Amino acid sequence: KAGVTQTPRYLIKTRGQQVTLSCSPISGHRSVSWYQQTPGQGLQFLFEYFSETQRNKGNFPGRFSGRQFSNSRSEMNVSTLELGDSALYLCASSPAPTGTYNEQFFGPGTRLTVL
Amino acid sequence: AQSVTQLGSHVSVSEGALVLLRCNYSSSVPPYLFWYVQYPNQGLQLLLKYTTGATLVKGINGFEAEFKKSETSFHLTKPSAHMSDAAEYFCAVVISGGYNKLIFGAGTRLAVHP
Repeated sequence: KAGVTQTPRYLIKTRGQQVTLSCSPISGHRSVSWYQQTPGQGLQFLFEYFSETQRNKGNFPGRFSGRQFSNSRSEMNVSTLELGDSALYLCASSPAPTGTYNEQFFGPGTRLTVL
Repeated sequence: AQSVTQLGSHVSVSEGALVLLRCNYSSSVPPYLFWYVQYPNQGLQLLLKYTTGATLVKGINGFEAEFKKSETSFHLTKPSAHMSDAAEYFCAVVISGGYNKLIFGAGTRLAVHP
């Protein structure tokens, strides 16, 4: 089985722009979660989707949003980018409805740099 | 507030030596606890998890962790370090509430030297 794939792997944007990141879960997995990883704040939970519905949400401003499609693929969007949004964005999928409580399979991440 | 603390941001051991990575959590309810490993330029991989039942949990690659409620700890150990164990290790706890969240510790970078 193919693992979790994330595209693009690297992105460079400027302040004020918006960005969309994509995640394809492992085949058969319907739960997708997103995390932000930075040297200063570490790994922080953004949100979790199951069956196209947001199930859980972290403490991020409304500039961060996501969605899940009927094929379980997910996208996250960050609008009005700030320098502090530079980070590695990780996507994880799980076969269980509540991925948060179960094993999650992580993709390699998208490295976003905001200039 | 529920959280997880990893003691020691960097740990260095010799090949063949015991690996001990420390994790303490705070939780008002029985916790769901995880250890994940991250190799350079890769995503995270689950090593092991504790939900209920046996307090000694065995994971992949020879790692194990013991849940000690009285000490609110979930330390990760491996009897004999291998060079391939060099990576960053994250302890995590599920916080339940209106929204459920997986909260990670700051991570411990393990170096293994010959």
